Amino acid sequence: GDSVTQMEGPVTLSEEAFLTINCTYTATGYPSLFWYVQYPGEGLQLLLKATKADDKGSNKGFEATYRKETTSFHLEKGSVQVSDSAVYFCALSGWTYGNKLVFGAGTILRVKS
Amino acid sequence: KAGVTQTPRYLIKTRGQQVTLSCSPISGHRSVSWYQQTPGQGLQFLFEYFSETQRNKGNFPGRFSGRQFSNSRSEMNVSTLELGDSALYLCASSPEGAGNAEAFFGQGTRLTVV
Repeated sequence: GDSVTQMEGPVTLSEEAFLTINCTYTATGYPSLFWYVQYPGEGLQLLLKATKADDKGSNKGFEATYRKETTSFHLEKGSVQVSDSAVYFCALSGWTYGNKLVFGAGTILRVKS
Repeated sequence: KAGVTQTPRYLIKTRGQQVTLSCSPISGHRSVSWYQQTPGQGLQFLFEYFSETQRNKGNFPGRFSGRQFSNSRSEMNVSTLELGDSALYLCASSPEGAGNAEAFFGQGTRLTVV
């Protein structure tokens, strides 16, 4: 079945450091790919998405490119802030009927000032 | 526009009891999905409802059930609660469509089974 693999955390960075969180997927067909973020005590918020190969999703300084050849959707940000500290989830929505999301395990990001 | 509203936010139940959780989607959204989040298993899909019909179902036992009303509000029910059902239950609504539609999540219901 469809699956998503994320790099394990926690990832601890200093403010203004470069961030990469790796995400790879296994799916049949052409899934849509998403990054969600969860702040403490909150639900999930969509950070960015890409619906086809070579699409780049971007939002709030975060970017990810849909790479079909490597089945990857790595999250990057050039300069992280303390306020970016959260849990980040990579997810896919496959070609099954409906809006089912398959999530990776999540990566905790801690940014120190 | 109001977001996804889940009630209650917190719940404590005893083993063997049953529980009903409620979700009000964003106005105009007809798809409602439910997820279970635990430290050990992460985020797992329970089921999705669209226009009052279950459209997708995850790999959970029959003790977990749901329904959707004509106004798109949804409830999920867990019967004969077990300690392992302690989790954050998240509801998400999506506009009509499938696959690449953004899912908007509520803040969740934290269920503790004692």
